[in-house]
Amino acid sequence: QKEVEQDPGPLSVPEGAIVSLNCTYSNSAFQYFMWYRQYSRKGPELLMYTYSSGNKEDGRFTAQVDKSSKYISLFIRDSQPSDSATYLCASIKAAGNKLTFGGGTRVLVKP
Amino acid sequence: GAGVSQSPRYKVAKRGQDVALRCDPISGHVSLFWYQQALGQGPEFLTYFQNEAQLDKSGLPSDRFFAERPEGSVSTLKIQRTQQEDSAVYLCASSLRTANTGELFFGEGSRLTVL
Repeated sequence: QKEVEQDPGPLSVPEGAIVSLNCTYSNSAFQYFMWYRQYSRKGPELLMYTYSSGNKEDGRFTAQVDKSSKYISLFIRDSQPSDSATYLCASIKAAGNKLTFGGGTRVLVKP
Repeated sequence: GAGVSQSPRYKVAKRGQDVALRCDPISGHVSLFWYQQALGQGPEFLTYFQNEAQLDKSGLPSDRFFAERPEGSVSTLKIQRTQQEDSAVYLCASSLRTANTGELFFGEGSRLTVL
């Protein structure tokens, strides 16, 4: 079993809808939680970053972490076709150096 | 340049050949990472450098894989006697900090195909 799990999708939504993405993790030592976006044939780029439990909002993006249930979420409001990409969740231990990624969820936003 | 630069972007090798993949991190970034991404999967950690010191190589899949960063800037990932299972995208990432909180800047990757 992988330490970080994601549904691979694809998740298809109409433009303007809310995109809801989730991950679960198994390692209680993980303290930092990230969402990366990866376009086809490009490298991942950091979207959201949170420490421990809680919510964080940045424009159309909201990240949530619930450490009690080991659950990570990303919500994208007012989705655009340009949001079509693979979304990777990732976690790391405090003072760690090894970022552990989920397998990614492919998102398609249809105009 | 402004971002992490990797070369070559695409490499086709015959089984048994040696390959070398280069990474130019963002100037001044202390930490450098190599990840391997198989088709349809998330990136998997290979190795980590802090300046020129290789502090973690636990993710290297075999002794055919070797990485170096001799002057604390440019890094090279070398794969000897390539096998078909080595086919993947090899991603390099850098970070300004020594304490890694997961805020990495990735290059576009080097896509290796072993025939």
